[in-house]
Amino acid sequence: DVKVTQSSRYLVKRTGEKVFLECVQDMDHENMFWYRQDPGLGLRLIYFSYDVKMKEKGDIPEGYSVSREKKERFSLILESASTNQTSMYLCASSLQSGWGAKNIQYFGAGTRLSVL
Amino acid sequence: GDSVTQMEGPVTLSEEACLTINCTYTATGYPSLFWYVQYPGEGLQLLLKATKADDKGSNKGFEATYRKETTSFHLEKGSVQVSDSAVYFCGVAGNQFYFGTGTSLTVIP
Repeated sequence: DVKVTQSSRYLVKRTGEKVFLECVQDMDHENMFWYRQDPGLGLRLIYFSYDVKMKEKGDIPEGYSVSREKKERFSLILESASTNQTSMYLCASSLQSGWGAKNIQYFGAGTRLSVL
Repeated sequence: GDSVTQMEGPVTLSEEACLTINCTYTATGYPSLFWYVQYPGEGLQLLLKATKADDKGSNKGFEATYRKETTSFHLEKGSVQVSDSAVYFCGVAGNQFYFGTGTSLTVIP
């Protein structure tokens, strides 16, 4: 089974802090993704990566950055946390890019971040 | 571009009632279609999938049929249980992956 592990289930941070959310997958997947999930808005893609050291902006990249130094690890960074970044953050991975079933995404359990 | 539209919730049903959650998509070519489920406090799990027209995906009593003529992939279950209470997301995978906004289901005893 594919396993996607997010380092924290719950985090509480203060406004202005630098926050790191870590995600690790164990199935040698090429693609990794960060989403945030908010009530009524569904899943919104923040950033994704299709290879080591490669990254692409998603729909809402402002206020976030990412790092992928190793294939299995994809980090989301909030440079200066703000209260409007309070949300559930979900990491996902998929085997490859391209059409159809190779795109199946496997998700971690999520990190609920509160910024006070 | 590709997109997914699914029925808005929340949906509240009594135990053993029938469930249908509508999902329609727009995509070029021949995408694969998915349903994911998110139980309270957890991430998304793949529930079922269909990779070509007329395929039926099924799992845990849920079914969905890939209807290319109507560009639909409606989720159905004949008799829901309290343990089915969750948020359900429809997804389409063409050259990228797109999710619907999710439908919250609550099943009451």
